[in-house]
Amino acid sequence: SQQGEEDPQALSIQEGENATMNCSYKTSINNLQWYRQNSGRGLVHLILIRSNEREKHSGRLRVTLDTSKKSSSLLITASRAADTASYFCAHTGTASKLTFGTGTRLQVTL
Amino acid sequence: DVKVTQSSRYLVKRTGEKVFLECVQDMDHENMFWYRQDPGLGLRLIYFSYDVKMKEKGDIPEGYSVSREKKERFSLILESASTNQTSMYLCASSLWAGSYEQYFGPGTRLTVT
Repeated sequence: SQQGEEDPQALSIQEGENATMNCSYKTSINNLQWYRQNSGRGLVHLILIRSNEREKHSGRLRVTLDTSKKSSSLLITASRAADTASYFCAHTGTASKLTFGTGTRLQVTL
Repeated sequence: DVKVTQSSRYLVKRTGEKVFLECVQDMDHENMFWYRQDPGLGLRLIYFSYDVKMKEKGDIPEGYSVSREKKERFSLILESASTNQTSMYLCASSLWAGSYEQYFGPGTRLTVT
């Protein structure tokens, strides 16, 4: 399987702390994306980083990409209870279809 | 805003029944996708379509078929439902072949008894 893996599988932090989740993949990629899924719902696109980029920011989100290590990380700063969700990385090769990781469940407590 | 809708949020079917899951997007997207999501396995691609009447197998097409007669509608068909097809099914669309961001529907939780 070319499916990516995410680490940790679950993460519990307090509101205001930073959350970091990591993603590894196995193939060459065109870009890598991060999605959020609230419990029992569909996925929502958060951010896309291209293979020639090393870091990207969007609001409280910071994504890094290391193509030599085939890995990416998502940092959420100053987390809020509303950030509680599952987070998935997904990578694209030559076609527009995505290969998803297994996800990280983030719990942010008050 | 892009809207992707799925015909049912929850569905219960019996083993051997033929099951239709419908997905509609309202933004004239060329690409549409069907995934299943299972605990610990993430999302796995079942089928996708780049255009009307076109379909491509994903990673786990066995036991499924699809139909895309109109650009906005992509149907997933379980010819003879089995208990191992109990899962959450997610439909998604993206604008065109070179765009990568996908827009997801709310999902259909299918239980086969």
